[in-house]
Amino acid sequence: KAGVTQTPRYLIKTRGQQVTLSCSPISGHRSVSWYQQTPGQGLQFLFEYFSETQRNKGNFPGRFSGRQFSNSRSEMNVSTLELGDSALYLCASSLSGGARETQYFGPGTRLLVL
Amino acid sequence: AQSVTQPDIHITVSEGASLELRCNYSYGATPYLFWYVQSPGQGLQLLLKYFSGDTLVQGIKGFEAEFKRSQSSFNLRKPSVHWSDAAEYFCAVGSNDYKLSFGAGTTVTVRA
Repeated sequence: KAGVTQTPRYLIKTRGQQVTLSCSPISGHRSVSWYQQTPGQGLQFLFEYFSETQRNKGNFPGRFSGRQFSNSRSEMNVSTLELGDSALYLCASSLSGGARETQYFGPGTRLLVL
Repeated sequence: AQSVTQPDIHITVSEGASLELRCNYSYGATPYLFWYVQSPGQGLQLLLKYFSGDTLVQGIKGFEAEFKRSQSSFNLRKPSVHWSDAAEYFCAVGSNDYKLSFGAGTTVTVRA
């Protein structure tokens, strides 16, 4: 079974631009979560989607948004990029997002904002 | 709110020596605990997890972890480290609001 895939793997943007990242979960998984990883803040939860509904959102500004499609694929968007948005963005999928479930992570998208 | 503390930022261990990584959690209910490993430039891979039952859990790559409720700890161990174990290790707690809360991570360096 194919793992979680994320595209693109690397991105360079300039301040003020916007960016869209994509995540394809493992087949059959309906929950998709996004995390931001930075050296200073570590791994921080962005949001979680299940059946096209956002069930939880982390403490990030409204510039960060996401959505999920009917095939469970998910995208996240960051508008008006800031230097501090440079990070590794990780997507994870699980069957239904339950607390006991293993979340399977993709390789991440590394975003550099100049 | 749930939280995870990994007291050691960086550990250096000789190849063949034992390894123990510490993790303390704060969670009001029964904790769902995980250890993940991240190699450079990679995503996170699950090593093991604990929900209930036997407090000593076995994982992949020869790792094990022991849950101690009285100490709110879930320490990761490996009896004999290989050079390929050099990576960053994250302890996490799962919650009923569909997210994982991670510790800051421990970077393991393996010297020959």
